[in-house]
Amino acid sequence: GNSVTQMEGPVTLSEEAFLTINCTYTATGYPSLFWYVQYPGEGLQLLLKATKADDKGSNKGFEATYRKETTSFHLEKGSVQVSDSAVYFCALSDAPGYKLSFGAGTTVTVRA
Amino acid sequence: EPEVTQTPSHQVTQMGQEVILRCVPISNHLYFYWYRQILGQKVEFLVSFYNNEISEKSEIFDDQFSVERPDGSNFTLKIRSTKLEDSAMYFCASRAGGGATDTQYFGPGTRLTVL
Repeated sequence: GNSVTQMEGPVTLSEEAFLTINCTYTATGYPSLFWYVQYPGEGLQLLLKATKADDKGSNKGFEATYRKETTSFHLEKGSVQVSDSAVYFCALSDAPGYKLSFGAGTTVTVRA
Repeated sequence: EPEVTQTPSHQVTQMGQEVILRCVPISNHLYFYWYRQILGQKVEFLVSFYNNEISEKSEIFDDQFSVERPDGSNFTLKIRSTKLEDSAMYFCASRAGGGATDTQYFGPGTRLTVL
C-alpha cells in the first residue's frame, strides 16, 4: 500500500535559518505529492504540490521537488520567519480513489 | 475564494451518544472526504464519497460510522454510538475532479470530545 515517511522533529530554528524537512514515499502507481501546513489552532492548508516526476512545487518561499529515483519530496525554505511556525505534513494521492495518505507531521518552531 | 466549512467547531458529547458532524464542500466539487486526527497523531483517512455513494473507506470506518449527502450542499458524518477513542479533530475535504492532480481542500475541522 501507499505510505509516507516524514522527518519527525520537532524542529526549532532561528529566524532566517534554512529549513529542510525530509519526506519519502512508497506508492504502487504514479502519485501526486503534496505538502500541507497546519498553523496553531487551524485546519490543513495546501502549501504546494507536484504531480509528476521532476516537477517542482513552490509557494511562499517554500519549494519541493518530486524525485522519482529517490522517491522523495523534501520541503525546503531558504530563510524562515516566525510566522512559518506550524506543523508540516507530507502527503500523497494515488489511484484509484485519490485519498490522501499523510506522513506523521513535523512541528517547526521559528524563534525571533 | 470558495472554502469548505464545517460545523460545529467543537462538539462535546457523552459516550454512547450519537453525533452528526456537518460539512459544506466547495460548490462545484464532486468528491468528498472525511479524515480524522487524534491529538498529536497523523491525519488518517476515513471515507471518500462520490456520486452519492461511498467509494472507499478505511478500517476505522466501521458500522458505527455513516456518511450522507442529504441535499445538494451538505455532507455529514454520523457516529452512532460514540466511544472515548472517537475523540479527535475531524476534517472534511472536497475535490473538484477525478484525477490525482486535483487538490483536496480542507475545512477548518470539528473537534469532537467524548466524555
